[in-house]
Amino acid sequence: GQSLEQPSEVTAVEGAIVQINCTYQTSGFYGLSWYQQHDGGAPTFLSYNALDGLEETGRFSSFLSRSDSYGYLLLQELQMKDSASYFCAVRGTGGFKTIFGAGTRLFVKA
Amino acid sequence: GAGVSQTPSNKVTEKGKYVELRCDPISGHTALYWYRQSLGQGPEFLIYFQGTGAADDSGLPNDRFFAVRPEGSVSTLKIQRTERGDSAVYLCASSLSGESGNEQFFGPGTRLTVL
Repeated sequence: GQSLEQPSEVTAVEGAIVQINCTYQTSGFYGLSWYQQHDGGAPTFLSYNALDGLEETGRFSSFLSRSDSYGYLLLQELQMKDSASYFCAVRGTGGFKTIFGAGTRLFVKA
Repeated sequence: GAGVSQTPSNKVTEKGKYVELRCDPISGHTALYWYRQSLGQGPEFLIYFQGTGAADDSGLPNDRFFAVRPEGSVSTLKIQRTERGDSAVYLCASSLSGESGNEQFFGPGTRLTVL
């Protein structure tokens, strides 16, 4: 089967850096994606890691270690608008099913 | 350009009724996904279309759920004999192709409430 684990909640202050971890178990693996979802909104794509290492996109970076079945999303220079839920997602090699984690709710405080 | 649209935005129905939920993907996107999301959970995969065909329907919970995409664009998710446990937000997403890592663009969802 496939499963992902991520912390349920993280709180940080404006301007700080926060890391949201994701560990996964999957039979076969293509890569790890991250999505952001504001309350009442649709998930929006943030990043994708197919290979080990760090991918940087502006204030957001994502990291993958395939040998550790682990990845994280790093958010820098936090802003109030970053308060949202963040989901890691994987697609195994057995089909086209995309599995999402339960999400990490990020609270950014002033 | 236009994003993914879903109609209706809200649907309230009674237990045992039949419902249809519609998804209009981004023009040119061959891959289309249906998910459902309960409060506090991540999207749960239901079905994936590549063009007109359902390439992976392993997430459909039972035979009350069915989806079609007859012309390779608009898709309809159909739920027969609805149950209270079907209440959730049903999300549709499209992408250029089904290749892993391709960004999935999500619609705003249909909130289904089964009384």
